[in-house]
Amino acid sequence: DQQVKQNSPSLSVQEGRISILNCDYTNSMFDYFLWYKKYPAEGPTFLISISSIKDKNEDGRFTVFLNKSAKHLSLHIVPSQPGDSAVYFCAASALSQGGKLIFGQGTELSVKP
Amino acid sequence: NAGVMQNPRHLVRRRGQEARLRCSPMKGHSHVYWYRQLPEEGLKFMVYLQKENIIDESGMPKERFSAEFPKEGPSILRIQQVVRGDSAAYFCASSHRDRGSNQPQHFGDGTRLSIL
Repeated sequence: DQQVKQNSPSLSVQEGRISILNCDYTNSMFDYFLWYKKYPAEGPTFLISISSIKDKNEDGRFTVFLNKSAKHLSLHIVPSQPGDSAVYFCAASALSQGGKLIFGQGTELSVKP
Repeated sequence: NAGVMQNPRHLVRRRGQEARLRCSPMKGHSHVYWYRQLPEEGLKFMVYLQKENIIDESGMPKERFSAEFPKEGPSILRIQQVVRGDSAAYFCASSHRDRGSNQPQHFGDGTRLSIL
C-alpha cells in the first residue's frame, strides 16, 4: 500500500531552467507535506514543507504547491543549478497519527550545465 | 545534516550477531524517529520515541528488533540475531514537536549495516 508515490524515477533538466518534481498521495488524513534532498551516503536534508491549510509555500528558489482535491503536490526549483543534482523525496505525515513520515520512492534530478 | 549524530556510520556483522545503532538528536529535540532504507527503495518508518517512552512502533518487525531512548544518553536501535535481509541504511531523525503543530524532522547521516 504505497500511500505516497513519486512516479518519475528520474528527471534531467538544463541549468537555468525550471525543475518540477511531482508527488501523489492517497491518505486524506495527511496534513503536512515535506520535500527532502538526499546525496549518496548522506541523510536526507530538509528543503521545504507545506501545511494542508495552504496551497503554496516559497523559500528562495524552491516553491511547493499543494492541490488537495487532486491529492497532488509538486516542487519547483527555479533556476536549476548543477548543485541541485540529487535524489528528492516527497514525504507526508498526519499529526493525528503521531507525525511519522511516509516517503515516496524518490526522483533523481540531474541538472546539466 | 549537522545536529543529529549517528554512529557508527558503517557496521559489519555476521549472521546471528547483534547490531547496536546509536542516535543523538539535535540539541533541544526530544522526539526521535528511526527509518530504514533498503536498496533501491524509499525510507520506511520503524519507530517513534520520546524520552523513556515508545510512542509508535508500528513499523518495527515483531521479532529481533527493539528500540529505546533513555533519560540520559542516545537512542539505541538494537537488532538481535541479524540476518542478510537486515542489510540496509538506518536513519534517525529528530524534531522539536509541538503537539499543536507539525515540525520538520531533521536526519542524521545514517548507519549502513552490512551482514556477511
